Amino acid sequence: SYELTQPFSVSVALGQTAIITCGGNNIGSKNVHWYQQKPGQAPVLVMYRDRHRPSGIPERFSGSNSGNTATLTISRVQVGDEADYYCQVWDTSTVVFGTGTEVTVL
Amino acid sequence: QVQLVESGGGVVQPGRSLRLSCVASGFTFSNFGFHWVRQAPGKGLEWVAFIWYDGSNTYYADSVKGRFTISRDNSENTLYLQMNSLRAGDTAVYYCARDNSRSVVSEADYWGQGTLVIVSS
Repeated sequence: SYELTQPFSVSVALGQTAIITCGGNNIGSKNVHWYQQKPGQAPVLVMYRDRHRPSGIPERFSGSNSGNTATLTISRVQVGDEADYYCQVWDTSTVVFGTGTEVTVL
Repeated sequence: QVQLVESGGGVVQPGRSLRLSCVASGFTFSNFGFHWVRQAPGKGLEWVAFIWYDGSNTYYADSVKGRFTISRDNSENTLYLQMNSLRAGDTAVYYCARDNSRSVVSEADYWGQGTLVIVSS
């Protein structure tokens, strides 16, 4: 079965850039979506089809996907960006979520 | 505005059944596919099932195949998850999520707040 690997945690200083990776075999050939989940809340879509931002998501969020790695980048990180982030793809009639990354703002 | 409201969770003994519901409002329910996604306490997201806009096709995670059934009633704007032969490992918050497509799985653009299922004797 297809697997998506994410770093367990990413720490970033306030105002700096957070880079969250999502590794998978030839993931560049798939559409990758990203979700943000804050404690006690439902997930929220923050990036879809690699690089598209839903309405209401700040321009500070950007995405890319190539080869074996997809990336979600958060520029000028704010305290409100602290959350768990999950990547997701569709593969062989199955939805696959990444292992999740906890973003901590220092 | 788009709203998804799950219900039906609770405490159930191993081996028993439970049916979850998700009532949708604020959009044309019959135009979209839907997912059930679960999250065990302190764990990550796990996809459970997906259903086409018209209910004609369904997909399941291996962990629930043969035990869970996803269905929908477009006349009632309601999504269901029938869960049979429940196990302790099924304990989780269950979310319904709208897919931004009718059939080809795309992104889950709206999520409900979830309903908690606890399987315990």
